Amino acid sequence: NAGVTQTPKFQVLKTGQSMTLQCAQDMNHNSMYWYRQDPGMGLRLIYYSASEGTTDKGEVPNGYNVSRLNKREFSLRLESAAPSQTSVYFCASSPTDSNQPQHFGDGTRLSIL
Amino acid sequence: EDQVTQSPEALRLQEGESSSLNCSYTVSGLRGLFWYRQDPGKGPEFLFTLYSAGEEKEKERLKATLTKKESFLHITAPKPEDSATYLCAVLASGGSYIPTFGRGTSLIVHP
Repeated sequence: NAGVTQTPKFQVLKTGQSMTLQCAQDMNHNSMYWYRQDPGMGLRLIYYSASEGTTDKGEVPNGYNVSRLNKREFSLRLESAAPSQTSVYFCASSPTDSNQPQHFGDGTRLSIL
Repeated sequence: EDQVTQSPEALRLQEGESSSLNCSYTVSGLRGLFWYRQDPGKGPEFLFTLYSAGEEKEKERLKATLTKKESFLHITAPKPEDSATYLCAVLASGGSYIPTFGRGTSLIVHP
């Protein structure tokens, strides 16, 4: 039972470098989400995709881009990493327009030096 | 604006010492309230969904309850393996189906 799979699990970048965080789910969910979690701040929504082909900004989208590659995959890209983007990033999925809970991956721990 | 507040921020218990975690919320209408458990280095793991006031859900030593303004997660006779951060999230009526998360309660149970 894979659920939501995120890669990589850990990454260290230098300021200005770019990278893409990958997320895939096998639960046939239409909606997918990217959050960041920082100490004392809780989970903050970066971007979400209600269905394949659509993406929308969340609470903290600046400095990020996303791609909904297909129904299973949703990637998050940092074009020019900044130290303020050091965080733990979580991907989640859920059925669309549903009162059902989100299901989360185990996160990517990203450090920007 | 939808708001979710969890208290306390941190809680230390002795093994066997029962207690409750609180999640208070302010929303125009409630579609559902979710409880998650998060272990260090892991993502949130879904525990319960509550949909209406008066509803209760149980799983092992955990019981979640819901009123019109708050939810409680009761932990009966906790064990060290119950140590984790517990997150509450509220799904409000109208608009998007994106939940609002509280900041969590960090629970440590000492043997």
